[in-house]
Amino acid sequence: NAGVMQNPRHLVRRRGQEARLRCSPMKGHSHVYWYRQLPEEGLKFMVYLQKENIIDESGMPKERFSAEFPKEGPSILRIQQVVRGDSAAYFCASSPRTPTPGELFFGEGSRLTVL
Amino acid sequence: AQSVAQPEDQVNVAEGNPLTVKCTYSVSGNPYLFWYVQYPNRGLQFLLKYITGDNLVKGSYGFEAEFNKSQTSFHLKKPSALVSDSALYFCAVSLTYNNNDMRFGAGTRLTVKP
Repeated sequence: NAGVMQNPRHLVRRRGQEARLRCSPMKGHSHVYWYRQLPEEGLKFMVYLQKENIIDESGMPKERFSAEFPKEGPSILRIQQVVRGDSAAYFCASSPRTPTPGELFFGEGSRLTVL
Repeated sequence: AQSVAQPEDQVNVAEGNPLTVKCTYSVSGNPYLFWYVQYPNRGLQFLLKYITGDNLVKGSYGFEAEFNKSQTSFHLKKPSALVSDSALYFCAVSLTYNNNDMRFGAGTRLTVKP
């Protein structure tokens, strides 16, 4: 049973470009969460999605960032016009149809470097 | 709003010795508390959680944690450390039964030396 799959694992972008990070949840999981981890910091919640719905985006910056989880295909975290401060590790997690508090299954992360 | 603090950036212990990784929390109600471990270049893995009931919670890989309401702490412990326990450990707190309000600490890097 494959775990949470994230790609790309590493992404380098120049300032002003767009970054797209993909996350395929574990089989049977319909809840996806995106977190950002800055160097020497803990994970910061960004957004919580179910299929075709954004449930909670309270941690997402209002500008340049967007997320989706379509009916078919992976969840996408999109960062437009990247800046150096966007350099971080972005982790996706998933949970089953009935969320079990705290038992999130994390992917290995996508590390974004903005030059 | 809830928050969690991990007062130590780094913990070093010798293999075979007991280890403790500290966590304190701040919430306005009854907390749900969690520990996760992150190995290099990997995602976080769930270790254990406290929801209700017995204050001593046992988890994966021989780890346990004790919920102390009076001290608002949830320290992670293991009686005998292994070199393979070396990793980054995150404490997290939630106020609700939902995952999207989970708040993580900054992490503590545990190094176990042979």
